[in-house]
Parts: sequence; structure tokens; C-alpha cells
Amino acid sequence: ELQLVESGGGLVPFGGSLRLSCSASGFTFTDYAMHWVRQAPGKGLEYVASVTRKGDNTYYADSAKGRFTISRDNSKDMLFLQMSSLRTEDTAVYHCVKDLGIAAALNFWGQGTLVTVSS
Amino acid sequence: DIVLTQSPGTLSLSPGERATLSCRASQSVSSSFLAWYQQKPGQAPRLLIYGGSSRATGIPDRFSGSGSGTDFSLTISRLQPEDFAVYYCQLYGSSRRFTFGPGTKVEI
Repeated sequence: ELQLVESGGGLVPFGGSLRLSCSASGFTFTDYAMHWVRQAPGKGLEYVASVTRKGDNTYYADSAKGRFTISRDNSKDMLFLQMSSLRTEDTAVYHCVKDLGIAAALNFWGQGTLVTVSS
Repeated sequence: DIVLTQSPGTLSLSPGERATLSCRASQSVSSSFLAWYQQKPGQAPRLLIYGGSSRATGIPDRFSGSGSGTDFSLTISRLQPEDFAVYYCQLYGSSRRFTFGPGTKVEI
């Protein structure tokens, strides 16, 4: 059974840092690009970042560029998001998402971990 | 960057009716990079349609996607009670980043 389990969320002060983790199972992790997508309370979906299968290329939303770093550990089937200089507008549920692989779509989402940035 | 607009914001329908949701891009895009998702309260999104018109694994055939250029649509042929949810369109851009529309809520 395919599973993506996020962890590392919590309450962090404005300007602080946090590292999110995602443990993947049930599929060959190295075969797929991986992504982070967030959703602020009561709002829509917002793309955050992507990493290629080998981890050699990364892509970021403008809101994340320079503050967030996506990475993966293929030896442990883990995805990470290092976040720094956090702002109140970064408050959201952060979903770890698996790429479909055959097309530009996101075919499996973790339940997410809540990040709350306090002012 | 290309902006996606979805309409209507809310669609009020009854079970058994047909739902047509619109997604408009601010410039012409390839349908190959257009996808649709369903999200129910308290749940993670679920992929419905990819490549503009291909149903994802396990998605019932009452869901269909179509469109080209700047105008795309998701049609639910006969609404079932479990279809009442929020629907998002998504585009994969030339910058290798994803963009989501603001969503359409389908309510009873």
C-alpha cells in the first residue's frame, strides 16, 4: 500500500526555522519526482517545491525561493523541506506529494503536517 | 507566469444532475499539462484527470476532462452524493513548476 507520512510540523515563531520530513513506502521511491504543496487554513492549494528523482534538480515557487530547500534521501525513501525565515503567511498544512511519472500531475498526497508561524 | 481562473466559485446542484466546471488559463497552454483534483473536507486532494482528459486510476467514468488552448472543463455526468467537494485545476508550466486554480466548490 502506497503511503506518504509527513512529520515535523508545529508552532514556530516569526523568522524561525523548521524541517519537514516525509517517509515514503509502497512504491519505488527513486522512480518518481517528489513535491511539496501547501494549503493555508480555509484556502486553496499552493505549490511549494519539487525535486527530481535523483535529487539533482530542484524547483521552487517564488514564495519559497531563497528560504526553503527541498531535498531527498533515496537510501531511506525520505523527502525533506527545510524552511527558514518563516513568515505568518507560511502557516499551512504541508503535503508531501508523489509525481504521477507518466504525465505532469500529482497522483498521491500525504495527509500533511501543520505548520503554524506565530507573530 | 500563467494564471488559472476557475468558474463558478460555487456550483449548487442536486444528485443526478450534470456538473460542468471551467478552468481558464491566462495564455494558451497544452492540455498535456492540465490536471484536475477533488478535495473533500479534512482529506488530501485526489487526482481525477491528467493530460487534460485521461482519468486517473480508479476514477469513475462519470468524470471527464476536455478543452484546449485557454479553456478547459471538468464534467461530472451524473452527480453522486460523494461528488460534493472542491475541485481544483492544475497546470505544469515551462518553468517546471505547478500552478493551481482557486477551486470550485460543488455543493448540494
